[in-house]
Amino acid sequence: QKEVEQDPGPLSVPEGAIVSLNCTYSNSAFQYFMWYRQYSRKGPELLMYTYSSGNKEDGRFTAQVDKSSKYISLFIRDSQPSDSATYLCAMRSGNQFYFGTGTSLTVIP
Amino acid sequence: GAVVSQHPSWVICKSGTSVKIECRSLDFQATTMFWYRQFPKQSLMLMATSNEGSKATYEQGVEKDKFLINHASLTLSTLTVTSAHPEDSSFYICSAQGSLNTEAFFGQGTRLTVV
Repeated sequence: QKEVEQDPGPLSVPEGAIVSLNCTYSNSAFQYFMWYRQYSRKGPELLMYTYSSGNKEDGRFTAQVDKSSKYISLFIRDSQPSDSATYLCAMRSGNQFYFGTGTSLTVIP
Repeated sequence: GAVVSQHPSWVICKSGTSVKIECRSLDFQATTMFWYRQFPKQSLMLMATSNEGSKATYEQGVEKDKFLINHASLTLSTLTVTSAHPEDSSFYICSAQGSLNTEAFFGQGTRLTVV
């Protein structure tokens, strides 16, 4: 079993839709949880990070962590065509980072 | 967020030559740097982890003599692909973590094409 599982998609939604991206994990030692956005042929860009269960909001993005279920989510409200990218979840234990495989998102105008 | 600069963004080289990729943390001291390789439509594959002043720790299956990593200062790490072959063509990405940061910040990536 992989440390981090993420549905690769692809996910296609109309502009304005709410997008839900999810990852599950198996290692209860993970302490920090991150979401990165990666455009084609670019390095990943950090969107959000959190270390506790609950929600963290930043503009149109909300990161949700449920440590009891070992499940994290990223919600994108009012999705825009510019949100079209691959979204990677990442988790950290000590000095080790573990990445999901990424979910490819396309927002259709 | 913190800025990590990776250079060059793309490079084409002949088979058998060596290529050096630089990764710099511009506004923080990176105690740890990570080097990844990414194939099209796939996730990041960790190649090695380097701590400033120490030898890099390579992941299983990554040839340390082929992928030379140097992390001589708190703001610079380099990856040298030695005797490159066409199968080394890929997207290489570095990320850096400062001692006070919980997250890692990525460079822009380097697309290497070996012909």
